[in-house]
Amino acid sequence: GAVVSQHPSRVICKSGTSVKIECRSLDFQATTMFWYRQFPKKSLMLMATSNEGSKATYEQGVEKDKFLINHASLTLSTLTVTSAHPEDSSFYICSARSSTDTQYFGPGTRLTVL
Amino acid sequence: RKEVEQDPGPFNVPEGATVAFNCTYSNSASQSFFWYRQDCRKEPKLLMSVYSSGNEDGRFTAQLNRASQYISLLIRDSKLSDSATYLCVVNPGGGYQKVTFGTGTKLQVIP
Repeated sequence: GAVVSQHPSRVICKSGTSVKIECRSLDFQATTMFWYRQFPKKSLMLMATSNEGSKATYEQGVEKDKFLINHASLTLSTLTVTSAHPEDSSFYICSARSSTDTQYFGPGTRLTVL
Repeated sequence: RKEVEQDPGPFNVPEGATVAFNCTYSNSASQSFFWYRQDCRKEPKLLMSVYSSGNEDGRFTAQLNRASQYISLLIRDSKLSDSATYLCVVNPGGGYQKVTFGTGTKLQVIP
């Protein structure tokens, strides 16, 4: 199947700092990528839909100024958590949509904010 | 009614057993359907797409019932390694970009 990478896989940061997470589709082009977060033992929660060359579409309740998304190319989308706080600690997962409408997920980034 | 509903389980089954999960969806115009598995603290991984005619991949069989608006996943000869959470995913199509995930069904295969 298609491969999606995510970097970093794990990050620990101090409260108030910003963290950037990269999501890359390695062997296919993705005009659309998605960002999710998942709390322990909970289901995936869609945060935003990232479209190459245009602004991201955020889900209700997700602060666009806090979670900055940039989809600069057909293979790269980034999520920046600005001024991170402990409540932002979570598992962030991206996915990229292939031409067959299938979503392939990155391995996730575990963010811990101290 | 939720857009996509799954029984959260857990389903505890012995090795070698056959187990089946269902997933119901509310949007009758939904276009495509998938089963993913997610292991603890890992990302979801595509298990199989679900085709109208049904499809089989080794021990796994997926079925779609449009009339009753559900999809199913059958696992034969369960292995310990099948223990995971199985997520049902529905793509509404029709220009919508985002899919809807079920909350997942947890399967525990017991020795």
